[in-house]
Amino acid sequence: SQTIHQWPATLVQPVGSPLSLECTVEGTSNPNLYWYRQAAGRGLQLLFYSVGIGQISSEVPQNLSASRPQDRQFILSSKKLLLSDSGFYLCAWGQLTGNTIYFGEGSWLTVV
Amino acid sequence: AQSVTQLGSHVSVSEGALVLLRCNYSSSVPPYLFWYVQYPNQGLQLLLKYTTGATLVKGINGFEAEFKKSETSFHLTKPSAHMSDAAEYFCAVRAAGNKLTFGGGTRVLVKP
Repeated sequence: SQTIHQWPATLVQPVGSPLSLECTVEGTSNPNLYWYRQAAGRGLQLLFYSVGIGQISSEVPQNLSASRPQDRQFILSSKKLLLSDSGFYLCAWGQLTGNTIYFGEGSWLTVV
Repeated sequence: AQSVTQLGSHVSVSEGALVLLRCNYSSSVPPYLFWYVQYPNQGLQLLLKYTTGATLVKGINGFEAEFKKSETSFHLTKPSAHMSDAAEYFCAVRAAGNKLTFGGGTRVLVKP
């Protein structure tokens, strides 16, 4: 069966510091991969979307970037964090021909 | 473009009472619709989905939802609330590229 993992689960970072959140999927190949952010009172916002290695679509302009160095690995990064980057970040995957998206456990980021 | 509106950001129900969470959508193509549940500090778990076929969809934990095209609705119900149903619930519609657009979420409080 397929599983998705993301880490770290919790992160407290100072303003201006870099960020790296990692996500891996197991048990499938060539998945669509997604990064969502859930900020307090603002629902779920799609940040990045990838259909293959090196193929990244950014949904909203922001201080973050994403990379997909391997088929089942998706990384969310920032060079310099802002206070507004705080939130709950969720990685997700889906099959190219499927219609369901499955979520990881989430990562809490607090920028102080 | 697709959008989702969830009526009521908070719902309070008594244990054993009916749970009704409202979701209305707009979509330029035949919609695929989803309900997800999120327990505190966790990722999103798929409750149920509608793609094609039967408009009454049954999901996990006793939940079901009915797709009503004429009303552009996909309301979620459970006949008898349990304390373990306390969580946040998200309605979503599939957009182009197998991406999901989410509603703002409804937080359910179950009173003993």
